[in-house]
Amino acid sequence: AQSVTQLDSQVPVFEEAPVELRCNYSSSVSVYLFWYVQYPNQGLQLLLKYLSGSTLVKGINGFEAEFNKSQTSFHLRKPSVHISDTAEYFCAVTGGGASYDKVIFGPGTSLSVIP
Amino acid sequence: DAGVIQSPRHEVTEMGQEVTLRCKPISGHDYLFWYRQTMMRGLELLIYFNNNVPIDDSGMPEDRFSAKMPNASFSTLKIQPSEPRDSAVYFCASSPSRAHTQYFGPGTRLTVL
Repeated sequence: AQSVTQLDSQVPVFEEAPVELRCNYSSSVSVYLFWYVQYPNQGLQLLLKYLSGSTLVKGINGFEAEFNKSQTSFHLRKPSVHISDTAEYFCAVTGGGASYDKVIFGPGTSLSVIP
Repeated sequence: DAGVIQSPRHEVTEMGQEVTLRCKPISGHDYLFWYRQTMMRGLELLIYFNNNVPIDDSGMPEDRFSAKMPNASFSTLKIQPSEPRDSAVYFCASSPSRAHTQYFGPGTRLTVL
């Protein structure tokens, strides 16, 4: 069965500094990968997704992620964070086989941007 | 489009009462998902529908929980009887096709006293 690991539960970073949020997944089949963001008291919204093709994916708000099949990773990066990036970030992977309709979410990483 | 609509946004009830959460998906989306989010357990998939048919309800915690989708524009999640451990934020999400982006509603914050 597919699973998602987000190695850091909390990441504090100073404003305008770069950030990387780590995500690893386990799967024996090809999957689609997603990063979602959740601002306080809101639902999740898509940041970016990898379906196929180029392993470097660009998303909204200056975020990008790189798919690494050999390391089964999909780390999220931003070269310079802003206060408004403070939120919870979820990595997600589609289920495989009969569960392909489902998306399995990681536990989340709380990003705190310090002024 | 107004996005996914959930009601109520907040619900406070007493243990033993019936609770009904409502969701209106984005028009034209074939998939509808119900999630529960807590600090302890994170985001859990409860059940999902495809073309109004329940496909996988393996995440429903117990028989006190039930979900229906009588038509393409409406779904309910019912808890009867409710218990304090059901306190959580419940999200509804819809998707236009399988393995596609999910669009989340704002959630219903349920507190069971």
